[in-house]
Parts: sequence; C-alpha cells; structure tokens
Amino acid sequence: DAKTTQPPSMDCAEGRAANLPCNHSTISGNEYVYWYRQIHSQGPQYIIHGLKNNETNEMASLIITEDRKSSTLILPHATLRDTAVYYCIVRVDNAGGTSYGKLTFGQGTILTVHP
Amino acid sequence: SAVISQKPSRDICQRGTSLTIQCQVDSQVTMMFWYRQQPGQSLTLIATANQGSEATYESGFVIDKFPISRPNLTFSTLTVSNMSPEDSSIYLCSVPRGLEYGYTFGSGTRLTVV
Repeated sequence: DAKTTQPPSMDCAEGRAANLPCNHSTISGNEYVYWYRQIHSQGPQYIIHGLKNNETNEMASLIITEDRKSSTLILPHATLRDTAVYYCIVRVDNAGGTSYGKLTFGQGTILTVHP
Repeated sequence: SAVISQKPSRDICQRGTSLTIQCQVDSQVTMMFWYRQQPGQSLTLIATANQGSEATYESGFVIDKFPISRPNLTFSTLTVSNMSPEDSSIYLCSVPRGLEYGYTFGSGTRLTVV
C-alpha cells in the first residue's frame, strides 16, 4: 500500500471548518483513500473513504485531487469532541470492493479544536 | 454494522506471565485483525486471523510470543506471552464492517507489565 504524509498537528477554532491534508503521491489506480480518527483512549473510528470522486457523509467531506496524489478531509463545523488523531490511509480494494485487507497506519495528525 | 466487545479493558501483569485478550463480534466475519499501539505511537498490525486457518503474522511478530486463536466466525483471542515491560501497550482487534463503513475497532486492552 502507498505511503501517506500528514502534518503532525493542527489547530482549529470551534465552529470553524477543519481541513486536514494528506499527501499520497505514490497512490496506485486501485487504491482507496481512507480516513480514521482516534479519540484519546478509544479505538479508531471510521470517518470516510473514496477512490476518485469527492465524498460526503454525515461526519465529513473528502476532497481528492484530480491526479489523486493528495486529499483533504473537511470537518465542516468542528466541535471540541472532534479533538483527536486523524489518520489518512491508502489501501487496495479488489474489484467490487469486497477485499478486506489490512490497514497500515501512519503517525496521523493531532487535531486540537479550541473554544 | 459489527459491534465488538473486547476484554479485559485493562490489566496490570507481572513480567514473565501471559495475558489472553478476547474479542467477541456480534456478527460473523471472515477476517479479524489484531493491532498493537505502543505509548505515544500509531497502530501496528500484529496479525490477521482467519477462521479455520493459522493466523498470518506481520514482520517482527511471531506466533510463540503472540499466539492467536480463531475458533469460530465471531470470536478470537490474542495471548501476549512471557511478558516484559516492553509489551506495555494498547492491544486492539478490528473487523471489516462492509465496503461502505470501513473497519470497526474494539475499545482496546490497556496492558501494563511491571
């Protein structure tokens, strides 16, 4: 799986949008971009994933550049409870997305949301 | 979506002893994954456990140290054997939730070896 690069830490004001970048310049055509977060002392939580198109769900939006070499996770209205470590992961899914292979975690970005 | 019950949530153990961690899933899953998170570090995959076959271990992890059982499609155990203080970590299990939802993680077992 391709390697990802994320800033070690970011700050965000409560109520503002948090934009977390991720570089994955060696991503292959069949690799998806996944985002997870880990709130202190808890297991990681799935946020969102995508292949080429931008994605949105109830938690966040994922913007993937046209060349797929980078992506941005957007938390539209950050709250104090969004303070966590955010992990960007790329991995392969087979055709139809039925392969459940391993996730390789990098160091992630520590997002601190302040009042 | 799968819900995972992981036990124990934490333990303090003497060096040289072993601890078995349990993960119970509320639905049948083919693959289960075991991770280790050392203090202040990211997650590292220990092994992948498939029902009915031997676990597949990642580089740096061996079966004698981290034996895994997978007796059925809803349960797995990870044993940390002959523990030393360097084994003090959070251990987590994980299962796939389906294409749209990624993976679910257990709440973790915080192990301290003294």
